[in-house]
Amino acid sequence: EVQLVESGGVVVQPGGSLRLSCAASGFTLDDYTMHWVRQPPGKSLEWVSLITRYGSSTYYADSVKGRFIISRDNSKNSLHLQMNSLTTEDTALYYCARDAGFGSSWYGYMDVWGKGTTVSVSS
Amino acid sequence: DIVMTQSPDSLAVSLGERATINCKSSQSVLYSSKNKNYLAWYQQKSGQPPKLLIFWASTRESGVPDRFSGSGSGTDFTLTISSLQAEDVAVYYCQQYYFTPYTFGQGTKLEIK
Repeated sequence: EVQLVESGGVVVQPGGSLRLSCAASGFTLDDYTMHWVRQPPGKSLEWVSLITRYGSSTYYADSVKGRFIISRDNSKNSLHLQMNSLTTEDTALYYCARDAGFGSSWYGYMDVWGKGTTVSVSS
Repeated sequence: DIVMTQSPDSLAVSLGERATINCKSSQSVLYSSKNKNYLAWYQQKSGQPPKLLIFWASTRESGVPDRFSGSGSGTDFTLTISSLQAEDVAVYYCQQYYFTPYTFGQGTKLEIK
């Protein structure tokens, strides 16, 4: 079964740091570009970042650029999001999602989603 | 950034009736040379992650019932549920993937009348 399981979400103070992880199973991670998407409580979805198959290219939303770093370890079937200088605006459910494109190209829409991990930034 | 605007924000439809959700992008998401619209639709039920329904504006994802259909081109798109079922109660989102940052609409909440 194709599955993504996020972890690492906790309550953190403003200015703090956090590292989210996503464990992939049921497919070969390095065949796919991967995304992080977040959803603040009661709000819509916001694309956060993507990383290509071998990590050679990364893209970020302006709201997180310079503060968040996406990475992956294909040998461990895992995706990560290092989150620094957190603010209350970063409070959200963070989803790991697989790009629907296979191989060397990616499309930008997501066909497999994890259940998410909750990050709460509060003093 | 491309702004995605959905209408209406919420919708109540009787079982078996048609539901129509609109999505408008602030600029065209039609890649002319490929004749493809970079537009996807997702369904999110309460307490669940989003589920991909439609991509390339009108291609149904495998396993999605054929009562769901997508249409439109350029800047104006529509998701139609031809005969509403109880299990279709959810929030529906459109997303452009024409270029980063990928952006989603604000969502349309669909309920049973």
